[in-house]
Amino acid sequence: KNEVEQSPQNLTAQEGEFITINCSYSVGISALHWLQQHPGGGIVSLFMLSSGKKKHGRLIATINIQEKHSSLHITASHPRDSAVYICAVRSINNNDMRFGAGTRLTVKP
Amino acid sequence: DAGVIQSPRHEVTEMGQEVTLRCKPISGHDYLFWYRQTMMRGLELLIYFNNNVPIDDSGMPEDRFSAKMPNASFSTLKIQPSEPRDSAVYFCASSLKFLGRQGPTSSNEKLFFGSGTQLSVL
Repeated sequence: KNEVEQSPQNLTAQEGEFITINCSYSVGISALHWLQQHPGGGIVSLFMLSSGKKKHGRLIATINIQEKHSSLHITASHPRDSAVYICAVRSINNNDMRFGAGTRLTVKP
Repeated sequence: DAGVIQSPRHEVTEMGQEVTLRCKPISGHDYLFWYRQTMMRGLELLIYFNNNVPIDDSGMPEDRFSAKMPNASFSTLKIQPSEPRDSAVYFCASSLKFLGRQGPTSSNEKLFFGSGTQLSVL
């Protein structure tokens, strides 16, 4: 079993829909990152979380440390949000980074 | 700042050749990370440096891989000899801080990625 599991693997939505991507992990962590990889390959760090909730524009990220779960929400989705979203956690024991397999989001106009 | 700069963007080489990937982190960032991304294994952390010193290289696949950071503004990842299974996209990232257990996490730990080097070993 992977230490970081993301769901769904693939997600297709219509423009304007509310999107939720989930990340569950099995190790103790000191931080969780949400990354966005564009179709061209570039990677952008969206959020770094250790507790609670963060919001940036239409993006919201939450984390529940007790449940070892994080969600990334996109409100009023737009075709330009189409990308692969990757969850990454940093182990509290050895600072190792572990990555989810990614969620491929396609937003259709 | 121009962000994290990697070169080359693309590299095609023959099996057995030496490959050197280069990275210039954002000025002032204390931490530099090398990642590899493949379809099969996704993103993997290979090694990271703090203040030019390698801290954790447990992700480096084997002795054919080596990484150096001779100064705060430059790092290399070398593969010698290269093999077809090394074909991947190699990303470099930097961050201001990486406190871990030593202190609270903050926005200073945000990772900034380079554009990646697409390596193809034939």
